[in-house]
Amino acid sequence: DIQMTQSPSSLSASVGDRVTITCRASQSIRNFLNWYQQMPGKAPKLLIYTTSTLQSGVPSRFSGSGSGTDFTLTITNLQLEDFATYYCQQTYSTRWTFGQGTKVEIK
Amino acid sequence: QVQLQESGPGLVKPSETLSLTCAVSGGSMSPYYVSWIRQAPGKGLEWIGYIYFSGNTNYNPALRSRVTLSVDTSKNHVSLNLMSVSAADTAVYYCARHEAPAASWFDPWGQGTLVIVSS
Repeated sequence: DIQMTQSPSSLSASVGDRVTITCRASQSIRNFLNWYQQMPGKAPKLLIYTTSTLQSGVPSRFSGSGSGTDFTLTITNLQLEDFATYYCQQTYSTRWTFGQGTKVEIK
Repeated sequence: QVQLQESGPGLVKPSETLSLTCAVSGGSMSPYYVSWIRQAPGKGLEWIGYIYFSGNTNYNPALRSRVTLSVDTSKNHVSLNLMSVSAADTAVYYCARHEAPAASWFDPWGQGTLVIVSS
């Protein structure tokens, strides 16, 4: 299976900060990388698919980039509602795997 | 707007079979896939497997020997059976829809249902 490694596992940031989360695949997954946001006690929500396409309704302060094995999720001008856990997911293979998650906490 | 809703027993005894249903409303199951994903308390997300509306399946190798997915398009629902459960199977179980077996994404998700394995 393709292993997905996110870093950092957690971070502390302030409202208005720029935050970057990294996701690395154990082999090339081309651009088949998605990002999800999960609030406590809630189901994950799709943020970005195929590396950089924002899901409808997702604010433009979220962006994604990368290709091959290295990907990033960037949140500019961090808002209170962005404090959550973020997961990357590869769908290059038919055995889908997730990163372990990055928790964004309030500093 | 398509919605998914998981349901089933919240408590299952060790060694028994966990059975859950995912009801799809607001849209057809065709030509979509439905995956099951689980999340142990305080842990990350684990993909369990998917089923196509026609009944084709694909399972996580780590769970393949214990998992069966089935679909009933007349009732617009997908079922998950997980045999021989242990405490390690305690988790919130989600279902989610996607459009392809690869190069796709989960959207929407159900709200999830907590299953506790305990005697």
